[in-house]
Amino acid sequence: GQNIDQPTEMTATEGAIVQINCTYQTSGFNGLFWYQQHAGEAPTFLSYNVLDGLEEKGRFSSFLSRSKGYSYLLLKELQMKDSASYLCAVRGLLPGAGSYQLTFGKGTKLSVIP
Amino acid sequence: NAGVTQTPKFQVLKTGQSMTLQCAQDMNHEYMSWYRQDPGMGLRLIHYSVGAGITDQGEVPNGYNVSRSTTEDFPLRLLSAAPSQTSVYFCASSYAGAGNTIYFGEGSWLTVV
Repeated sequence: GQNIDQPTEMTATEGAIVQINCTYQTSGFNGLFWYQQHAGEAPTFLSYNVLDGLEEKGRFSSFLSRSKGYSYLLLKELQMKDSASYLCAVRGLLPGAGSYQLTFGKGTKLSVIP
Repeated sequence: NAGVTQTPKFQVLKTGQSMTLQCAQDMNHEYMSWYRQDPGMGLRLIHYSVGAGITDQGEVPNGYNVSRSTTEDFPLRLLSAAPSQTSVYFCASSYAGAGNTIYFGEGSWLTVV
């Protein structure tokens, strides 16, 4: 089966840096995604990691360690518009299924304060 | 391109009624799926399809049916609505292959009373 853990809520100050952690257990790991979801909206893609290491994309970076079952999303120079939920999702073999599927964590609600 | 289009955006049903949530994508994606999102539960996979004519169950399939007669469309049917099916439903699609990004529709807010 698959199990994904991430903190429920975090608060950070505008202009600061915040790191959102995600730990996972899965059968047949085949990639990890981070999505951003503003309240009342659909999730939107932020990043993808399949190999160990850091992927940087502007103010956002994502890190993966497959041996530790661990990833983090790093947000720099926080802006008020970054207040949203951040979803960690792992692609792995769904129990009973014959294909790889994306399983989501419960999300981390980030509040950016002035 | 419209991307992934879901209808209706909001719906109120009475217990026992049936309805269909429509989903269409214009990106020629092979893979389509339905998720439901509940407070404190995250997104959970209901059903998915890897191509026209092929569907399979996800994590929480009970009470739902799907079909995939064309590449573009992937409707979700609630056979006999129950209050436990009150949720936000997201349709998603992507190209086949591990690293391809999944794109989500705007969501359908369903309330069963």
